[in-house]
Amino acid sequence: DIQMTQSPSTLSASVGDRVTITCRASQSISSYLAWYQQKPGKVPKLLIYKTSSLESGVPSRFSGSASGTEFTLTISSLQPDDFATYYCQQYNTYPWTFGQGTKVEIK
Amino acid sequence: QITLKESGPTLVEPTQTLMLSCAFSGFSLSTDGVGVGWVRQPPGKALEWLAVIHWNGVKEATPSLRTRLTITKDTSKNQVVLTVTNMDPVDTATYFCARRLVGRGFDNWGQGTLVTVSS
Repeated sequence: DIQMTQSPSTLSASVGDRVTITCRASQSISSYLAWYQQKPGKVPKLLIYKTSSLESGVPSRFSGSASGTEFTLTISSLQPDDFATYYCQQYNTYPWTFGQGTKVEIK
Repeated sequence: QITLKESGPTLVEPTQTLMLSCAFSGFSLSTDGVGVGWVRQPPGKALEWLAVIHWNGVKEATPSLRTRLTITKDTSKNQVVLTVTNMDPVDTATYFCARRLVGRGFDNWGQGTLVTVSS
């Protein structure tokens, strides 16, 4: 199985901060990497697919990029609505796998 | 408008079989590139992909549960069914069904259903 390792596990930040979350794949996954946002008790929401494509309706402050097997989700200016847990998911190779999540907390 | 909704028992006993249905609307599972998958999330833990079935009948399941998992579709009823045999307390989780399009992740999710495994 391809392991997806997210870092950090928890991130404390303030409104307006630039936030970066990293997801490292244990082997090549091409560009088939998605990012989700999940708030407590809520359903995951697709933010980005295929590494850097923004899902319809998602604010442009969210962006994705990659360097080799290291993938990054960036929030350019953290908003109050962005405090949540973020997951990456590779869908290049079965079994599809998720990262363990990164919780973005209020500093 | 795309909707998905999971239904099934909320409590199952150890060794029993779980059958969950995902009823969806707003899209067809006979359309090229469309799939419906299942993801679960134990309380307080991360998401775990379980299985997916595609418009062409191709299906995949996580190897760790492959001998226990079955996923089927009824295109005419807009329904996908997940069956998990020999349930164990570690299978206690919220089970989500979700739509995916080839090349993308899961773009539309059901509300999820919490399944507790306990005697």
